[in-house]
Amino acid sequence: DIQMTQSPSSLSASVGDRVTISCRASQSIRHYLNWYQQKPGKAPQVLIYAASSLQSGVPPRFSGSGSGTDFTLTISSLQPADFATYFCQQSYSSPYNFGQGTKLEI
Amino acid sequence: QLQLQESGPGLVKPSETLSLSCIVSGDSISSSPYYWGWIRQPPGKGLEWIGSIYSTGSASYNPSLKSRVTIYVDMSKNQLSLNLNSVTAADTAVYYCVREGSTMIDSWGQGTLVTVSS
Repeated sequence: DIQMTQSPSSLSASVGDRVTISCRASQSIRHYLNWYQQKPGKAPQVLIYAASSLQSGVPPRFSGSGSGTDFTLTISSLQPADFATYFCQQSYSSPYNFGQGTKLEI
Repeated sequence: QLQLQESGPGLVKPSETLSLSCIVSGDSISSSPYYWGWIRQPPGKGLEWIGSIYSTGSASYNPSLKSRVTIYVDMSKNQLSLNLNSVTAADTAVYYCVREGSTMIDSWGQGTLVTVSS
C-alpha cells in the first residue's frame, strides 16, 4: 500500500495569510494526487485533482503543485470560508489512501 | 444533478453485519463510465477508502477490510450497497457513498453515521 503523510497536522493562520500544506507519498505516484476540503459535519469536496488541476467552481486562490512523492497545496490569501480540514489522496493505485488531514484554524 | 443518498441502521451490534445502501439519482450506474464506492470516517479522525465497483461488477477493496467487506450494485434500483461483517467498535464511523472519476472522487453523499455498540 502507498502511505500518505501530510504536514502539518494543524495550522493556525489569519485571514489574508498565504498558507502551504504538504503531502508526501511513500512511493512515486506520478501526478495522481488530489486535495479535498472538509468542513464540520459535511462531506469532503475536491479542490485540486491530478496534482495541479483546479476543480470547476473552486476559487483560483487554491493551487496545487508537485509530482512523484512530494506535493503542496497553497492558499494564496486565506478567506474566512477556508478554515476547514484538508486531505490529500493518491489515486495512483488501490487502495486509494488519504493523508491524515490538516486542520486549518484561525 | 447527481445525488447520492445513503441509508441504513444507525446502530449495529458487535459481531453482526453492517449493511448500507446508496440510491443514485442523476446518473445511471449501469451505463456510467465511473466507479462507485464507499469511504468511511471515524468520529474526529481521517478518511479511509473502503472499496469501489464498476458496472461490470468488478470490485476493488482495501486489503485492511477485504476479508469482511462486499460492495455490490442493483442495476434495477440504480443502487449501491455495502456489507461489512463481524463489526467491532472500530467500525464506528460516518460512511460515505461516492462516485469515482478516473483520477478523483467527484461526488459524495451526505454520509450516514453507524455506531457499533451492544
